[in-house]
Amino acid sequence: AQSVSQHNHHVILSEAASLELGCNYSYGGTVNLFWYVQYPGQHLQLLLKYFSGDPLVKGIKGFEAEFIKSKFSFNLRKPSVQWSDTAEYFCAVNAGQAGTALIFGKGTTLSVSS
Amino acid sequence: KAGVTQTPRYLIKTRGQQVTLSCSPISGHRSVSWYQQTPGQGLQFLFEYFSETQRNKGNFPGRFSGRQFSNSRSEMNVSTLELGDSALYLCASKEPGVHSPLHFGNGTRLTVT
Repeated sequence: AQSVSQHNHHVILSEAASLELGCNYSYGGTVNLFWYVQYPGQHLQLLLKYFSGDPLVKGIKGFEAEFIKSKFSFNLRKPSVQWSDTAEYFCAVNAGQAGTALIFGKGTTLSVSS
Repeated sequence: KAGVTQTPRYLIKTRGQQVTLSCSPISGHRSVSWYQQTPGQGLQFLFEYFSETQRNKGNFPGRFSGRQFSNSRSEMNVSTLELGDSALYLCASKEPGVHSPLHFGNGTRLTVT
């Protein structure tokens, strides 16, 4: 069965610090990879996605993620965080076939102090 | 386009009762998925419906069921509620295609007392 691991449960940063959130998945076949964000009081929103091609993908709000197939990883990065990035971040994966469920990691809470 | 709409936003039920949650997907989306979100377990997949058929099911007991109507609206039912069923229940819809992302609603907060 597929699984997703997010190594950091809670990350605390100051504004302008760089961010990297780890995500590893277990699945041997073709996968689709996603990062979602949940701001306080809001619904889950898509940050970025990877299906194929360039392993470095760019999303909204200056976020990017790199797919490293050999490491089964899809880490999220941002060069300089802002207070408004305070949120919970979820990595998710599904097998590259129709009808397969999107499996989420348990999330990482990011707190950014101004 | 309007987003995914879930009703009600909040529910309080007692153990042993049953509950029905409703989800209206984004117009044109035929796939609807349901997730349970709790602080301890995170987001756990319940089931997915596509064109009125359950296409996939997570590892939840039979007390959890769902259905989808011809207009793609979906309902989720939980019977014989337990305290552990207290959670945020999220509905998500997507366009056809393996690469289409899920679009989530705001959820229904269920509290079982």
